[in-house]
Amino acid sequence: AQTVTQSQPEMSVQEAETVTLSCTYDTSESDYYLFWYKQPPSRQMILVIRQEAYKQQNATENRFSVNFQKAAKSFSLKISDSQLGDAAMYFCAYRSDTYKYIFGTGTRLKVLA
Amino acid sequence: NAGVMQNPRHLVRRRGQEARLRCSPMKGHSHVYWYRQLPEEGLKFMVYLQKENIIDESGMPKERFSAEFPKEGPSILRIQQVVRGDSAAYFCASSPGQLGETQYFGPGTRLLVL
Repeated sequence: AQTVTQSQPEMSVQEAETVTLSCTYDTSESDYYLFWYKQPPSRQMILVIRQEAYKQQNATENRFSVNFQKAAKSFSLKISDSQLGDAAMYFCAYRSDTYKYIFGTGTRLKVLA
Repeated sequence: NAGVMQNPRHLVRRRGQEARLRCSPMKGHSHVYWYRQLPEEGLKFMVYLQKENIIDESGMPKERFSAEFPKEGPSILRIQQVVRGDSAAYFCASSPGQLGETQYFGPGTRLLVL
């Protein structure tokens, strides 16, 4: 069975600095998708970034980028120029080529002014 | 283009009562998924539905929980005879298809069982 592990329960970053959130996963499949979702205090799940496993190029969305290491089964999220509004829980999620999402336990990101 | 709608946003029930959670998918989306989030945990898959069909309910407790997605109207997650352990956030997500599609999440319903 697939698993997703986020080993950092909580991280802090100074405003305007860069922070990296870690995620590892375990799967025997070759085709799958990886996601980072942000959950602010409102509890809404907001899609931050998505990566297809067959793509070697790392996905980027403005200040958010990933470091996808398929062989190592690692999928970290880098947030550059951190802003106060980035403070939230961040969940890494795995999805095979079917539909079921498997979420990690989350990393709480605090942004310090 | 409205996103996934869920209501109510907050629901308080006493033990033994019934809880009905509603989800309206995004326009053009015919696939609905329900997830449950316990405090300090990630979301856990419960059930996947298409219109008038339950595709996969492997994550749903065998008793007291049921889900439907009728031809007309929202998807409903129903919890009968609620217990305190049912207190959680219940998220609905939708997608236009199945394979390779990103799921878009609603704001969730926070259920509190007293």
